[in-house]
Order: sequence, then structure tokens, then C-alpha cells
Amino acid sequence: DQQVKQNSPSLSVQEGRISILNCDYTNSMFDYFLWYKKYPAEGPTFLISISSIKDKNEDGRFTVFLNKSAKHLSLHIVPSQPGDSAVYFCAARSGSEKLVFGKGTKLTVNP
Amino acid sequence: GAGVSQSPRYKVAKRGQDVALRCDPISGHVSLFWYQQALGQGPEFLTYFQNEAQLDKSGLPSDRFFAERPEGSVSTLKIQRTQQEDSAVYLCASRGGRYTEAFFGQGTRLTVV
Repeated sequence: DQQVKQNSPSLSVQEGRISILNCDYTNSMFDYFLWYKKYPAEGPTFLISISSIKDKNEDGRFTVFLNKSAKHLSLHIVPSQPGDSAVYFCAARSGSEKLVFGKGTKLTVNP
Repeated sequence: GAGVSQSPRYKVAKRGQDVALRCDPISGHVSLFWYQQALGQGPEFLTYFQNEAQLDKSGLPSDRFFAERPEGSVSTLKIQRTQQEDSAVYLCASRGGRYTEAFFGQGTRLTVV
């Protein structure tokens, strides 16, 4: 059973527009959520995180929203740039140390 | 070093061969994790160390998988009698504190033929 789900395998947006990547989770014990970005042949790179006590966290062009009642989080990238093209992974953690990852969404930002 | 370093970057093993994958975490990072990433999937947790203590090995898929971190720094993931389903990218990550992000290495791509 997948505890963290990214239902869109891919997303394509135009440069300058908003990219919205979505993630759903099933485990209500998760208390910390992260987004990682991955380029081919590289390891995942941390992007932004949010604690379950918050509903929004912003860092430059990146904002993560958390809706605990819906068990849903989303990553907004505004404005999108071609260099943002990568695979984005949503991850979550409960009281244990391990991260549970989704399968990823491949974002393509077209010039 | 500046980041998490893994070696080798690529490994081709014949079925039945033993392999050892190395991870050099960021200096001073107490926590170290191993993940397995199959093609088209997200990383899946294998095991976790705090210093030299292996606190969670619930993700190791079989007793052919063994990890160690004897001095609380470098870690080795060993896979005995490799099988084709072991083919994946093995990622190592280290973290300095509980509510800080984990930094990943570039991974070792293992192909079992």
C-alpha cells in the first residue's frame, strides 16, 4: 500500500507560468513533509519542507501548501523556469526517522 | 567533504556475486540512511544509522542485505548472492539534526546480469 501518492507522472508548463505538483498521503501520523528535486544521474536535492503544524511555507519561487484534513499537499513554483525541469518527489515522515517517498512527477518547463 | 559521496557510481555484477557499496556522509552528520530506488519508482527506505548504531533495518528486503557503519562515519551496504531484482540505484543520505533535511549522494547504480 502506497502511503504517499503522486498521481500525475508528468506535468508540462510554459516558462513563466505556475507549476502545481500534487501529493496525497494516507498516514495521519505523518508530521513532516518534504519536496525533493532530482535531475538525471544525480541524487535527490532538498527543495522545501513543511511541518504538520503549519499550512504553508514559502521560499522564493517555491511554496508548499498542506491541507491536513484532506491529507493533501502541493508544491507551487512561480514563475516556472526551464531549469526547474526535473523529477519532483514528495516525501513524508512520522515519528520514525525514515522518509516515505511518492513515485515522483516529471516536470517539463517549456521555453 | 562538501557532500555525500558514494562509490562506485556504477556496478555491474553477475548473478550470485557479492557486492559492497560505500557511502561517505557529510562530516559530522550523525544520521545516515540507505534507500533503494527501482526504475520509475521513488526511493524506498532500507536502513538507518545513528552514529554506529543501526536503529532501523526494517526496509532491508532479505537477509542477503547487510549494512554497517562501524565507526559512525563511512557506511557500507553489502548485498550477498545478488539477484536480478536487486538491480536498482542505491542512495545514501546523511542528516545533521532531527528537523533538518537529509542530503543525498549521487547513488550507485547496480545492474545484476
